[in-house]
Amino acid sequence: DAGITQSPRHKVTETGTPVTLRCHQTENHRYMYWYRQDPGHGLRLIHYSYGVKDTDKGEVSDGYSVSRSKTEDFLLTLESATSSQTSVYFCAISDRERGGELFFGEGSRLTVL
Amino acid sequence: AQSVTQPDIHITVSEGASLELRCNYSYGATPYLFWYVQSPGQGLQLLLKYFSGDTLVQGIKGFEAEFKRSQSSFNLRKPSVHWSDAAEYFCAVGAGTGGFKTIFGAGTRLFVKA
Repeated sequence: DAGITQSPRHKVTETGTPVTLRCHQTENHRYMYWYRQDPGHGLRLIHYSYGVKDTDKGEVSDGYSVSRSKTEDFLLTLESATSSQTSVYFCAISDRERGGELFFGEGSRLTVL
Repeated sequence: AQSVTQPDIHITVSEGASLELRCNYSYGATPYLFWYVQSPGQGLQLLLKYFSGDTLVQGIKGFEAEFKRSQSSFNLRKPSVHWSDAAEYFCAVGAGTGGFKTIFGAGTRLFVKA
C-alpha cells in the first residue's frame, strides 16, 4: 500500500473556525490532490499540487486553500468552516510518469456544526 | 477541461448475472481513463486503466472495460457478478499538460441480490 497518512481522521468543529487537514506521503510522488466526497456527487477535486509550492485549483476550490512547502506534505485549510464543508476529505498521490494512477489515503471525516 | 458522466446512480443485478456500468467522458483528446471501486467504509481502489493501445482492457477482480472513441465512452463490464462486488464504482478521466488532474464521475452504486 502507498504510504499516505491523513490527519486528523475525524474532526468536529463549529462554523467559523479554521480547520487544517494534513496529508503526508512517504512515496516521494510529485502530484498530490485533495478531494471531497459527498453523496450524489462522487469525488470532487478541491486543489492539487504538481510540485513543491506549485498548486492549482480544482472543481470546488472556493473556501479552501492549500500549501505544499515540502514534497511529503500537502495541507488543506478551511479558513472559516461552514456547514456546507461537512464532508469526507480524501488525499491522493500520483506519479504522472506512471500513468496518473491515484493512491488514496483513508479519508478525514469533517463535521461542521 | 475534462468531465465525466455516469448516467446510472444505482444498479441492481442478480448474483451470477452480467454487469455493465456506463461512463461517458468529455475531453478534446484521448485522456487517461480509469475505473475505481469503493467498498462500504473503505477507500478507493483502482480496477483498471486505459492510456493507449488495445481498447479492451482487463482489470482486477474479473472486470474489463472497453474504450470507444467514437462514443466517448469507457464502460465497465463483468460477465458474472459476485455478492462481494456490491460497492460504488467511479469512472475517472485524467488529463492536463501542465498540472495533471483526475476528475471523477458521480459514481454508480451496485447492489447485488441473491
